[in-house]
Amino acid sequence: NAGVMQNPRHLVRRRGQEARLRCSPMKGHSHVYWYRQLPEEGLKFMVYLQKENIIDESGMPKERFSAEFPKEGPSILRIQQVVRGDSAAYFCASSRVGNTEAFFGQGTRLTVV
Amino acid sequence: AQTVTQSQPEMSVQEAETVTLSCTYDTSESDYYLFWYKQPPSRQMILVIRQEAYKQQNATENRFSVNFQKAAKSFSLKISDSQLGDAAMYFCAYAAAASGTYKYIFGTGTRLKVLA
Repeated sequence: NAGVMQNPRHLVRRRGQEARLRCSPMKGHSHVYWYRQLPEEGLKFMVYLQKENIIDESGMPKERFSAEFPKEGPSILRIQQVVRGDSAAYFCASSRVGNTEAFFGQGTRLTVV
Repeated sequence: AQTVTQSQPEMSVQEAETVTLSCTYDTSESDYYLFWYKQPPSRQMILVIRQEAYKQQNATENRFSVNFQKAAKSFSLKISDSQLGDAAMYFCAYAAAASGTYKYIFGTGTRLKVLA
């Protein structure tokens, strides 16, 4: 049973470009969470999704950031018009219904140049 | 709002010795969960131990144990017989159960160095 898969592991974008980060949850997991980790900081919650629904996006910046978890395929975190301050590690976690334990992917390190 | 505080940015321990990492949290919820995660240089978040708030007994996992003081809102991690492989960032995390969404609130982390 493969773990949570995130790709790419490293992503370099120039300022103003779009970044797309993908997350495939563990088999049987229907809940996906995205977190951002700035250098030398802890992980900060961004958004919680179930299939085809955004349940809680209280941690998402109001502009340029969006997330989806379609019926088929991976969850996508999209950052439009990236700026240097978006440089961070982005982690995805997944869990089963009603289960508090979330399993994390290895993260995507986004570097904006 | 819930908060998690780790007041030790860095700790060092001699190999085979015991070290305790501190964590305090603030919440008005009665039903919640607490976790310790390890993050080695690979960036992978590895669950070390978890504690349900309704359980009075402290959780243990091999060399890892917690001291959960609910009234004081304290949740420290004790690592016994420290090994070189224990060197990593350690994050304390909180998740409230009542909301139905188990989003984690993390502390800022403690970097643990293990000295040979």
